[in-house]
Amino acid sequence: AQSVTQPDIHITVSEGASLELRCNYSYGATPYLFWYVQSPGQGLQLLLKYFSGDTLVQGIKGFEAEFKRSQSSFNLRKPSVHWSDAAEYFCAVGGSGGYQKVTFGTGTKLQVIP
Amino acid sequence: GAGVSQSPSNKVTEKGKDVELRCDPISGHTALYWYRQSLGQGLEFLIYFQGNSAPDKSGLPSDRFSAERTGGSVSTLTIQRTQQEDSAVYLCASSFAASENEQFFGPGTRLTVL
Repeated sequence: AQSVTQPDIHITVSEGASLELRCNYSYGATPYLFWYVQSPGQGLQLLLKYFSGDTLVQGIKGFEAEFKRSQSSFNLRKPSVHWSDAAEYFCAVGGSGGYQKVTFGTGTKLQVIP
Repeated sequence: GAGVSQSPSNKVTEKGKDVELRCDPISGHTALYWYRQSLGQGLEFLIYFQGNSAPDKSGLPSDRFSAERTGGSVSTLTIQRTQQEDSAVYLCASSFAASENEQFFGPGTRLTVL
């Protein structure tokens, strides 16, 4: 069964510092991978997705993620964090070929300090 | 509409009462999903609709939970005889087609069972 692990429940970074959020997945075939962000009281918004091709994916708000098949990872990065990036981030895995259930991780809550 | 809408945004009910949660997906989206988000638990898949049928309802936690979708559009999630453990945020998402796994989320309904 597919699964997603986000090992960091909570991360605190200083504004302007770089950020990396970890995501490890388990999936039997080539996965579809996603990062979503949830601001307080809001629904989830897609940041970026990987389906195939270039393993470095660019997303909105200056985020990027790199798919590493050998490590079963899809870590999210941002070179310089802004206070508005404080939110909860969810990694998710799904599959191709008709309906494939998308499984979400438990999320990483990001706090940004001035 | 511009996005996925859900109503009510908040619902407080007494244990044992029935509740109905509504989701209006993005127009033209054929796939619709319900998730439950409990504190610290990530996103729990409940049910998936393709059109008006539900090919995957494996995530419904008990027979007190049911959902329907009419006209390939609006969906209602019904919880009968609510229990305190049903307290959570219920999120709805839609996507253009089953094979298109990018989902667009509504803001959620926060359910509190007293």
